[in-house]
Amino acid sequence: EPEVTQTPSHQVTQMGQEVILRCVPISNHLYFYWYRQILGQKVEFLVSFYNNEISEKSEIFDDQFSVERPDGSNFTLKIRSTKLEDSAMYFCASSNYRATYEQYFGPGTRLTVT
Amino acid sequence: AQSVTQLDSQVPVFEEAPVELRCNYSSSVSVYLFWYVQYPNQGLQLLLKYLSGSTLVKGINGFEAEFNKSQTSFHLRKPSVHISDTAEYFCAVTPYFGNEKLTFGTGTRLTIIP
Repeated sequence: EPEVTQTPSHQVTQMGQEVILRCVPISNHLYFYWYRQILGQKVEFLVSFYNNEISEKSEIFDDQFSVERPDGSNFTLKIRSTKLEDSAMYFCASSNYRATYEQYFGPGTRLTVT
Repeated sequence: AQSVTQLDSQVPVFEEAPVELRCNYSSSVSVYLFWYVQYPNQGLQLLLKYLSGSTLVKGINGFEAEFNKSQTSFHLRKPSVHISDTAEYFCAVTPYFGNEKLTFGTGTRLTIIP
């Protein structure tokens, strides 16, 4: 069964450093998403991406965040200058055009900012 | 905007006993409803969804949920739980039209007692 994959599973970085979280969505999916979950809190929407552009973003997704689909398979989330409060689990998800509401999630990347 | 409330953060249940995990939502527009499950160290897996039609929906692993529009609820039930059901369960909604972002509840940790 096809699945969404994410790398790395755990990333530790120092405050102020740039990090790139990588995701490989399901191959025939066209809609891509990033969510995050701060420890003990709810899963929150960050951004949705379709046709090589952002279709919606939350207030959390400020100028330090960016997303990119650099090739036909990867979908990345970049945090330019990490802050302590960026420590969270980041989930990538994808969906196809017939059922954009049915999103398939990856296992997540745990980001720890020290 | 939508919001989701999961009233119980933790639910301990004896093995083979029934369980109900509660979910209430608030929305000014019609929504699709979902339950996701997160097993330890894994990503979010879709358990079941309500799109339209019969208000009782069945999902994987013997779970079912009932949509109650008047009470704006979507409670998850299982008649007999197993040790393997130990996980975090998230209720989520997305509006019929417009963006595809999922709005999640804070999750319920289901612990099965042998």
